[in-house]
Amino acid sequence: SAVISQKPSRDICQRGTSLTIQCQVDSQVTMMFWYRQQPGQSLTLIATANQGSEATYESGFVIDKFPISRPNLTFSTLTVSNMSPEDSSIYLCSVDRTNTEAFFGQGTRLTVV
Amino acid sequence: DAKTTQPNSMESNEEEPVHLPCNHSTISGTDYIHWYRQLPSQGPEYVIHGLTSNVNNRMASLAIAEDRKSSTLILHRATLRDAAVYYCIPAGGTSYGKLTFGQGTILTVHP
Repeated sequence: SAVISQKPSRDICQRGTSLTIQCQVDSQVTMMFWYRQQPGQSLTLIATANQGSEATYESGFVIDKFPISRPNLTFSTLTVSNMSPEDSSIYLCSVDRTNTEAFFGQGTRLTVV
Repeated sequence: DAKTTQPNSMESNEEEPVHLPCNHSTISGTDYIHWYRQLPSQGPEYVIHGLTSNVNNRMASLAIAEDRKSSTLILHRATLRDAAVYYCIPAGGTSYGKLTFGQGTILTVHP
């Protein structure tokens, strides 16, 4: 298994500001993934973060809005920039260390007011 | 990505078996069928996966149709802790972490 810690677990932010979410894994992994779960909805993949290269974003998500860092094999950050109420969601990171299953963090519940 | 169809919701009584169906008629030949569940206020957790043969683990069983166009997750004795949203996800290739979640099935377990 993999232990994934996300910080913060929740936050309330003012519109127009930015929030950086941290994801720490207890062992080295090649790829880390960031998902968004809007209220009452399923999860949507935002991007894949590889160490040493730029993140790969899914359709509908752009680097200017969701910049991602991956400084080493156990850590990644996702920033939600210039926030609006529509960004209120749960943001989750995940890894697939065993190459058969994915492990998810508990998520960061973001409310933008 | 293969499209999946699951019932929006299902109900069960505690200690009874639960059969959660999923249709994935456009699944590719190399995709595994993964099942994840999301308990309230938690991230998703892996349940089981399979390719062609039926699979069993400590959490559940997975029955896969011979044509692979559908599968059924079987919880042999539902507990209150099994109340969650269950997602059926065809996945494979180079990474099992890049998952496309459908709407899933909300399972309610009654005491």
